[in-house]
Amino acid sequence: EVQLVESGGGLVKPGGSLRLSCAASGFTFSSYSMNWVRQAPGKGLEWVSSISSSSSYIYYADSVKGRFTISRDNAKNSLYLQMNSLRAEDTAVYYCARQLGIKYYYYMDVWGKGTTVTVSS
Amino acid sequence: QSVLTQPPSVSEAPRQRVTISCSGSSSNIGNNAVNWYQQLPGKAPKLLIYYDDLLPSGVSDRFSGSKSGTSASLAISGLQSEDEADYYCAAWDDRLNGWVFGGGTKLTVL
Repeated sequence: EVQLVESGGGLVKPGGSLRLSCAASGFTFSSYSMNWVRQAPGKGLEWVSSISSSSSYIYYADSVKGRFTISRDNAKNSLYLQMNSLRAEDTAVYYCARQLGIKYYYYMDVWGKGTTVTVSS
Repeated sequence: QSVLTQPPSVSEAPRQRVTISCSGSSSNIGNNAVNWYQQLPGKAPKLLIYYDDLLPSGVSDRFSGSKSGTSASLAISGLQSEDEADYYCAAWDDRLNGWVFGGGTKLTVL
């Protein structure tokens, strides 16, 4: 069964750091681009970052650029999100999602259940 | 303010048909495939439609998608109470080099 399981969320003070992990199973992790998508309480979905299968291409939303770093370890079937200089507006459920497709025809087909990050003093 | 524009809410009676619109621009919907997600309360998003109008295995054929130019639509026929959820459209944006989502549409089955 294809599965993504996020972990690492928690309560952190403004300005603090947190590292999220996403463990993949049931598919060849190294063949797929991966994404982080977040959802603030009561709000819609917001894309955070993407990383290609070999880490050659990495993209960030403007709202996190310079503060968050996406990475992956294909040997460990794991995706990461290092979050620094956290702000209250980063409070959200963070989902990892697998990306399929080719240029002009991308889609995210499998999502984890999410991990909750709360930034508060 | 979301890059893709959806109505905040729609409602319709059981067994009826409802459509949800999604408006974008040439850098996203106009040049890339549109995908739709269903999010039940407290759950992760679930892929409903991909490549504008294709259904993943296991998704009911009561759901259908379409696209024209820089706009897309999701239609749900034979509405059931279990269809009550939030629905999101999404597309890759070539100018932003990232995914953009609609603000989400809350469907209420009356």
